[in-house]
Amino acid sequence: DSGVTQTPKHLITATGQRVTLRCSPRSGDLSVYWYQQSLDQGLQFLIQYYNGEERAKGNILERFSAQQFPDLHSELNLSSLELGDSALYFCASSAWDRINTGELFFGEGSRLTVL
Amino acid sequence: GQQLNQSPQSMFIQEGEDVSMNCTSSSIFNTWLWYKQDPGEGPVLLIALYKAGELTSNGRLTAQFGITRKDSFLNISASIPSDVGIYFCASQNYGGSQGNLIFGKGTKLSVKP
Repeated sequence: DSGVTQTPKHLITATGQRVTLRCSPRSGDLSVYWYQQSLDQGLQFLIQYYNGEERAKGNILERFSAQQFPDLHSELNLSSLELGDSALYFCASSAWDRINTGELFFGEGSRLTVL
Repeated sequence: GQQLNQSPQSMFIQEGEDVSMNCTSSSIFNTWLWYKQDPGEGPVLLIALYKAGELTSNGRLTAQFGITRKDSFLNISASIPSDVGIYFCASQNYGGSQGNLIFGKGTKLSVKP
């Protein structure tokens, strides 16, 4: 158990819909990262937050947005969903003093299926 | 963009055999990491390397950060059934996008008891 909690574990929805994925980082971790894992693209970095502020952005679509709340949990919002958005979405966190090291603790992921 | 080329894509080995996999890039990196992902789980960090030439062990696992800073390998000795999973190399540079860990496509390891 990494200590990172993600909900829901599975989600099935239709094209055009909007979903919200939730993540609670490990206790004490200030930084949260979102990754998308698909069969053809592998693990792709989406976005990072540190203590409530956006820190880095990867290949995140404009239809996707995220935020980190004062209690440090984070949400990833996916809207106008397309079939190609079906993937595993991982949240990860890192210790405050290991942010630049690449040492991440991943949750178990949220599997999104868009029909 | 920057890419990590991981090989082999998959391996089928007998329990007790040693395993070797590697990761190469045309870009130079400051950090190489190896993660393992079990089915239905998120990736778990196995080994992190921060200096060119560094050789680090974690139990039966050994990894090295290539001298050119463009490659890394991971060896697993005396494999056991619980070594089954997908192994990912990952890399990043300091000073760039801090969260931007780049991952290889993975090596899927199957172990026959």
